Amino acid sequence: RKEVEQDPGPFNVPEGATVAFNCTYSNSASQSFFWYRQDCRKEPKLLMSVYSSGNEDGRFTAQLNRASQYISLLIRDSKLSDSATYLCVVRGFYNQGGKLIFGQGTELSVKP
Amino acid sequence: DTAVSQTPKYLVTQMGNDKSIKCEQNLGHDTMYWYKQDSKKFLKIMFSYNNKELIINETVPNRFSPKSPDKAHLNLHINSLELGDSAVYFCASSQGQGRSYEQYFGPGTRLTVT
Repeated sequence: RKEVEQDPGPFNVPEGATVAFNCTYSNSASQSFFWYRQDCRKEPKLLMSVYSSGNEDGRFTAQLNRASQYISLLIRDSKLSDSATYLCVVRGFYNQGGKLIFGQGTELSVKP
Repeated sequence: DTAVSQTPKYLVTQMGNDKSIKCEQNLGHDTMYWYKQDSKKFLKIMFSYNNKELIINETVPNRFSPKSPDKAHLNLHINSLELGDSAVYFCASSQGQGRSYEQYFGPGTRLTVT
């Protein structure tokens, strides 16, 4: 079983749609959780951290369920510029040297 | 004013050759990483250095050897290149390994082995 699993998509949605991505992780001792965004042929960039209480940044809402080892990202009012691959990322527990463990990414394509 | 830079951006070489990829960060960070992204877009850590000391060494063939001459640089040398080494290699850096750090990635080096 992969340490971090995501639906690879692609998700094809019209502008203005709401889209949700899900992610599960296998190690219950994982410490921190993130969503990264990667544009085609570019480097990954941090989109947002994910906190236990859930957090929102503009049109983006992230949720964490530690009991189910489940992370989600909700994008409201999708824009063309949201087209990218969204990477679910888990930071290993304290003695793993801070390494990030990436899911395979979910591809989003927002159409006019 | 590039934060994390890598050279070269593209590298095409033949099997059996030895090549190096360089990484530099000007963020004052003390931890640097190398990641490999394969053809299936799966991004996986290879190495991590903290203050020039190796702290993560994943299951990577011995042909890959990282070198950190100082905190701001982490180079990757690859001996006897194989077809399976073709991938995009990303360097990253962070300030420490604490919970609230962010890792900043370089633009990547696209390695093609023919």
